[in-house]
Amino acid sequence: EPEVTQTPSHQVTQMGQEVILRCVPISNHLYFYWYRQILGQKVEFLVSFYNNEISEKSEIFDDQFSVERPDGSNFTLKIRSTKLEDSAMYFCASSNHGASGSTGELFFGEGSRLTVL
Amino acid sequence: GESVGLHLPTLSVQEGDNSIINCAYSNSASDYFIWYKQESGKGPQFIIDIRSNMDKRQGQRVTVLLNKTVKHLSLQIAATQPGDSAVYFCAENMSWTDSWGKLQFGAGTQVVVTP
Repeated sequence: EPEVTQTPSHQVTQMGQEVILRCVPISNHLYFYWYRQILGQKVEFLVSFYNNEISEKSEIFDDQFSVERPDGSNFTLKIRSTKLEDSAMYFCASSNHGASGSTGELFFGEGSRLTVL
Repeated sequence: GESVGLHLPTLSVQEGDNSIINCAYSNSASDYFIWYKQESGKGPQFIIDIRSNMDKRQGQRVTVLLNKTVKHLSLQIAATQPGDSAVYFCAENMSWTDSWGKLQFGAGTQVVVTP
C-alpha cells in the first residue's frame, strides 16, 4: 500500500540552527501538508501546498518556516532558526482530493520528531 | 473561538464490548468530519469520515454519527479489540471545496482496551 514517508525520524538540534524535514508524499497525490503535534497536545495544521504554492497557512507558520517541493517526489519543511518551542512531532500528509474517485482522505506519515535544545 | 473538542480524555473498554467516543464541535459551517486513530509513535490514521449532508456512515466495525442540531459527532467501535487501543481524534474541515485538508483536530481520547 502506498504510504507517506518522512525523514529523519528524530532530529536533535541546537536553538538557532536551521532544520529541514523531508517528506515523500504518495506519488499521484497533488495536495501536501505539514502538521505538528507538541507532546501531549492536539495535532495542529501548519501549511497546505498545491500546484507549487502555499494554499493555506496557519498563524504558527511564520517567517521562520518555509516549504518547498524541490523535485517531483520530495516535499520539505524548513525551519530557519529553531526555537525551543519548535520541539514537536512534525507530520507530513498528502491527498488526491478532487481526483476522480478520490475520497480526499489525508494520508499521514509517521512523523519526524524534532527536539530543540 | 470556534473549536472541535472531546468530552472524555480516557475511555476504558473491555475487549468485545462496544466503544463510543464523542466529539463536540462549535463551527456550524464545517462541512466534513473525520475520525483518526493514532497509535503510539505513529501518525494519524484515517478511520472514517462523514459529510455534513449525512447523519450516519458505517465502515468495517465502525460507525460515525453526526448530529448537526447539537453539533455532536460520535464514533462507535463494535466488538472492541486490543488493537483498537489508541488515541482517537475527531477533526473537521471547513469546506469540501475550499481549504481542503486544513483540518482542525480535537484534543483526543485515549481508548484503553482491557482483556
